[in-house]
Amino acid sequence: DAGITQSPRHKVTETGTPVTLRCHQTENHRYMYWYRQDPGHGLRLIHYSYGVKDTDKGEVSDGYSVSRSKTEDFLLTLESATSSQTSVYFCAISESSGTLNTEAFFGQGTRLTVV
Amino acid sequence: AQKITQTQPGMFVQEKEAVTLDCTYDTSDQSYGLFWYKQPSSGEMIFLIYQGSYDEQNATEGRYSLNFQKARKSANLVISASQLGDSAMYFCAMREALFGGSEKLVFGKGTKLTVNP
Repeated sequence: DAGITQSPRHKVTETGTPVTLRCHQTENHRYMYWYRQDPGHGLRLIHYSYGVKDTDKGEVSDGYSVSRSKTEDFLLTLESATSSQTSVYFCAISESSGTLNTEAFFGQGTRLTVV
Repeated sequence: AQKITQTQPGMFVQEKEAVTLDCTYDTSDQSYGLFWYKQPSSGEMIFLIYQGSYDEQNATEGRYSLNFQKARKSANLVISASQLGDSAMYFCAMREALFGGSEKLVFGKGTKLTVNP
């Protein structure tokens, strides 16, 4: 199994508080992604990174920021959590092959509840 | 614009029968990769199969095959001889190369497959 760990696995937080989710990999893969999964919406890309300090927005980036100061860590921050950000968050990693044929490996997910 | 479309929210199949899960995609790139993932009720994401845009042969992995029709921009997953353990959510995904050398992986909304005994 790919070495990818998300923390925390579960979190309950109050509206308006900042929250940071961590994704840690031991595979030295170039690409890291944050997705949220909601019923009826599948997995939606929040932000992704293609190298240290290189990040870009996905389709649902409002209210989220990311940072990648080391290859192995990709942090997702909810600046001021809202109930609409209650979701399951997945981190994924993949290597660059040049031919786009490398699959992504997923973390186990973080269930975040904003009350 | 939606990049990946999975039009079947739910599908039912009898055990031992074959089932096709639909996926269409939208891209103007010539080079891209298409993936299928399985998510059982336990929540983990399991990679099933890959198809490259330049691959002339349809991909196969055991009981999984990918019916790739490039002109129609479709990449349907075929599961032969369904088993009870195939009951899960199935996601189609596309990987695109972006300007500057980065790559992005986007998913469809998924299809929930139920295999009946």
